[in-house]
Amino acid sequence: DAGITQSPRHKVTETGTPVTLRCHQTENHRYMYWYRQDPGHGLRLIHYSYGVKDTDKGEVSDGYSVSRSKTEDFLLTLESATSSQTSVYFCAIRGSGDTQYFGPGTRLTVL
Amino acid sequence: AQSVTQLGSHVSVSEGALVLLRCNYSSSVPPYLFWYVQYPNQGLQLLLKYTSAATLVKGINGFEAEFKKSETSFHLTKPSAHMSDAAEYFCAVSDLTNDYKLSFGAGTTVTVRA
Repeated sequence: DAGITQSPRHKVTETGTPVTLRCHQTENHRYMYWYRQDPGHGLRLIHYSYGVKDTDKGEVSDGYSVSRSKTEDFLLTLESATSSQTSVYFCAIRGSGDTQYFGPGTRLTVL
Repeated sequence: AQSVTQLGSHVSVSEGALVLLRCNYSSSVPPYLFWYVQYPNQGLQLLLKYTSAATLVKGINGFEAEFKKSETSFHLTKPSAHMSDAAEYFCAVSDLTNDYKLSFGAGTTVTVRA
């Protein structure tokens, strides 16, 4: 258990509304990541952070933004949700041995 | 750029039989390789990892994987399947030159028949 929590765990929203997902860690890890999981695609990196206020894009970043104002929290925002963003979202941290450890996930449904 | 191919999206085995999940990767530099397991409605749990030490890596729950550079493979095995092994398994490669970002395979779902 890498001390990662995600909130909310489930969310249903409507197309066009903004949505923010939160990832919280308790162990002061520098690197944090956001992935989305879709059938047939495994997990794909959306954005990641390598420190407070330091973020970079992953392979599927369009339509998403992130913020990290303190070490323990990494927020993922969908500015205007679309049905294609219906997915399960996972947060991860880079821990010991340069290994990523994952949170429990947030299931997002955009109607 | 890194990429991972998992052969077979679904594998069905009998309880007590060998479990073999195939993973091939491409990487321009010596990779770190991982197998993760995901049980229904849960997050990903690390099974094992290869980080350029021993080529045969032992993990949790009786799983092991062998790194074969010449074949660019990292196949996962377990000699005797248990009902509790039913899950989805993901192979991933880490880009050591780019913030250790992970690239995942599409996953293999394992079902275990009694």
